Amino acid sequence: DQQVKQNSPSLSVQEGRISILNCDYTNSMFDYFLWYKKYPAEGPTFLISISSIKDKNEDGRFTVFLNKSAKHLSLHIVPSQPGDSAVYFCAASFPSGTYKYIFGTGTRLKVLA
Amino acid sequence: NAGVTQTPKFQVLKTGQSMTLQCAQDMNHNSMYWYRQDPGMGLRLIYYSASEGTTDKGEVPNGYNVSRLNKREFSLRLESAAPSQTSVYFCASRRGQGDTEAFFGQGTRLTVV
Repeated sequence: DQQVKQNSPSLSVQEGRISILNCDYTNSMFDYFLWYKKYPAEGPTFLISISSIKDKNEDGRFTVFLNKSAKHLSLHIVPSQPGDSAVYFCAASFPSGTYKYIFGTGTRLKVLA
Repeated sequence: NAGVTQTPKFQVLKTGQSMTLQCAQDMNHNSMYWYRQDPGMGLRLIYYSASEGTTDKGEVPNGYNVSRLNKREFSLRLESAAPSQTSVYFCASRRGQGDTEAFFGQGTRLTVV
């Protein structure tokens, strides 16, 4: 049972435009969400996160939005750059008391020059 | 600052052989994790260790065992490798629980023939 889902396996965007990556989750106990970026032959690296008590977090070109009622989060990249081409994973963490850390299936973003 | 180091980087096994994947972190993190990455499946949690001396099953633990040797090291063992265990394996560590990001190693590409 996939608790964290990314329904778009791939996305292509023109350089300079907005990239929107989506993630849905099923377990309402998750209280912290993160986005990771992964280049080929490398491990994932942390990008941005959001607590369940917030609905938006911004860091430079990256903004994460959380809609708890819909159990949905999204990552916006503006403007998109060719170096952003990678696989993006969303992840969800449980509150204190357990250390499980669950990832989604990933979305491959290709930014076209 | 090495971060999370995994060995080996590549390995080919014959069906039924055993091997241990090694992972060490130098960030004094409490929690450590093993994930496998397969096409279309994202990163799936195999086992995790909240702290030295404790281990717990993740989403896909069958066919694997783990040892948290000390605070730095967390190994993953395949007792009798099967072709279904062909995957890229990632080790990760995290300072604690809740609102902290994970740091990943560069991965081990394992092929079972």
